[in-house]
Amino acid sequence: SQQGEEDPQALSIQEGENATMNCSYKTSINNLQWYRQNSGRGLVHLILIRSNEREKHSGRLRVTLDTSKKSSSLLITASRAADTASYFCATYRSGANSKLTFGKGITLSVRP
Amino acid sequence: EADIYQTPRYLVIGTGKKITLECSQTMGHDKMYWYQQDPGMELHLIHYSYGVNSTEKGDLSSESTVSRIRTEHFPLTLESARPSHTSQYLCASRDRNSPLHFGNGTRLTVT
Repeated sequence: SQQGEEDPQALSIQEGENATMNCSYKTSINNLQWYRQNSGRGLVHLILIRSNEREKHSGRLRVTLDTSKKSSSLLITASRAADTASYFCATYRSGANSKLTFGKGITLSVRP
Repeated sequence: EADIYQTPRYLVIGTGKKITLECSQTMGHDKMYWYQQDPGMELHLIHYSYGVNSTEKGDLSSESTVSRIRTEHFPLTLESARPSHTSQYLCASRDRNSPLHFGNGTRLTVT
């Protein structure tokens, strides 16, 4: 089964509100990454949080990681219509079979 | 935006045709990847390469093949396209310490 699973699958909010998206995973990881995908485009990296970090900020983005619960959350504050996109979490595990595994994504719609 | 380019952006082709999807990056990254993504679905890794003359199959079985003759170029080939190959194909690259940089993808439709 998929390593990273996002929740909710879809989220619709008003411009100016905060958006919170969650990601759960099953096995130990080295880092967790969040990506954004605009319709019909490739993914763009947003933020990476290492397994020994608990919180990270980048502009209006705040990511938390709870390795004991194997979960992460992405918070977008003061959302804008331009934030409308799909958001994916991806978990990275190093080693002989190192890989980056993506979840199914969350569709965020920000209404103007 | 990262310097990774995919062509064509859209391709509609008939069953049985041979196609090559191009991917090039100008960042000198050793690691390159091909993902397949159906609409509204997760990405599935189908091929990857850790350097010139190195290619491996990914998690999702694919009838496509890849080559890595030059660092910057990682083309994907389907010898005989079928409707089941209809999907979006995303190419990505990274170096040892960076996250993935993605191209804008090729949306393939096989009729």
